[in-house]
Amino acid sequence: DVKVTQSSRYLVKRTGEKVFLECVQDMDHENMFWYRQDPGLGLRLIYFSYDVKMKEKGDIPEGYSVSREKKERFSLILESASTNQTSMYLCASRAKEGKNIQYFGAGTRLSVL
Amino acid sequence: KNQVEQSPQSLIILEGKNCTLQCNYTVSPFSNLRWYKQDTGRGPVSLTIMTFSENTKSNGRYTATLDADTKQSSLHITASQLSDSASYICVVSGIVPPGKSTFGDGTTLTVKP
Repeated sequence: DVKVTQSSRYLVKRTGEKVFLECVQDMDHENMFWYRQDPGLGLRLIYFSYDVKMKEKGDIPEGYSVSREKKERFSLILESASTNQTSMYLCASRAKEGKNIQYFGAGTRLSVL
Repeated sequence: KNQVEQSPQSLIILEGKNCTLQCNYTVSPFSNLRWYKQDTGRGPVSLTIMTFSENTKSNGRYTATLDADTKQSSLHITASQLSDSASYICVVSGIVPPGKSTFGDGTTLTVKP
């Protein structure tokens, strides 16, 4: 089974802090994604990556950056956390070929105070 | 703008009953449609995936249908169980740009004993 692991289930940070959300997948998938999920807004794509060191902006990249130094790891960075970044963050991975199924991590619930 | 609309927003049914969730989309040209189940506090898990040529796809008690002409899909749950209580998310991918997915806001299903 594909396993996508997010480093933290719950995080509480203060406004202005730099925050790192880590995601690791064990299926050698080329594609990895970061979403945030908010009530009434569904899942919104922040950034995605097609391969190592490659990144593309999603629908709401402002206030975020990402890093993909190794194929299995995709990090989401909040350079200076703000209260409007309080949300559930979901990481997903998908193979380059074959079925277009994304496999999701359990999510990180981030609260910015 | 490509959209995915799900209805109803929430649904409460009694254990053992059947229910049908709806998904209408405007994504074009269409590539595939997926239904995910998301338990509270967890990441989404894929239930079914359908391409343009597929009308029906089953996964146990879950049956998804697709009408690509009217751009509608439904997810039918048979003989509901308490463990079916979750959010069900419809995700549609277009051909261009490749791999871009549009998520619906989800239907929250509650199954009561």
